[in-house]
Amino acid sequence: GAGVSQSPSNKVTEKGKDVELRCDPISGHTALYWYRQRLGQGLEFLIYFQGNSAPDKSGLPSDRFSAERTGESVSTLTIQRTQQEDSAVYLCASSLAPQNQPQHFGDGTRLSIL
Amino acid sequence: GENVEQHPSTLSVQEGDSAVIKCTYSDSASNYFPWYKQELGKGPQLIIDIRSNVGEKKDQRIAVTLNKTAKHFSLHITETQPEDSAVYFCAASQGNYQLIWGAGTKLIIKP
Repeated sequence: GAGVSQSPSNKVTEKGKDVELRCDPISGHTALYWYRQRLGQGLEFLIYFQGNSAPDKSGLPSDRFSAERTGESVSTLTIQRTQQEDSAVYLCASSLAPQNQPQHFGDGTRLSIL
Repeated sequence: GENVEQHPSTLSVQEGDSAVIKCTYSDSASNYFPWYKQELGKGPQLIIDIRSNVGEKKDQRIAVTLNKTAKHFSLHITETQPEDSAVYFCAASQGNYQLIWGAGTKLIIKP
């Protein structure tokens, strides 16, 4: 399809393990965002990529979180040494040139840490 | 920095009635105000947005109004239907990439 695709849709892992979440943005969208959404809560900004510019990592909650994006394509969000408080839905969004352009969201990865 | 407050947190209305959700923002430099609808297990979807050079925008049963002086904007849904049940989020932007999000409103449509 033409929308934002995220994988896996669900991930269950043990505390202390590393996880990698993937986001395929809409083709041609130069901006890409990662958000975290805890159960029943709003969206918490994590990181923003725009083209080849340095990403805005100001929302990453700890150094266990990192993200990469190659050019204007796929992005991966990695969480190392997962903790139970990392359990949440991780949402990815993409948009055209970022000034006041709508963000298009994937359906997220639901991460559960046992 | 910018702060967006959204009320109410839960709204229950009878099917066919209207629903209104309100958001206030703190930074007068904000100039873009989108509304997103999130259904269970899905990502948020843009339903309507407004820019600071207009006061109202409509799309069928949905409308958004903006009061720049008072720094608040509202989502209006008329003739509500069961499929309108969802969580609605407002957001504000100052023209850069950052959206500042409200906490969300759970809208329940009673049959």
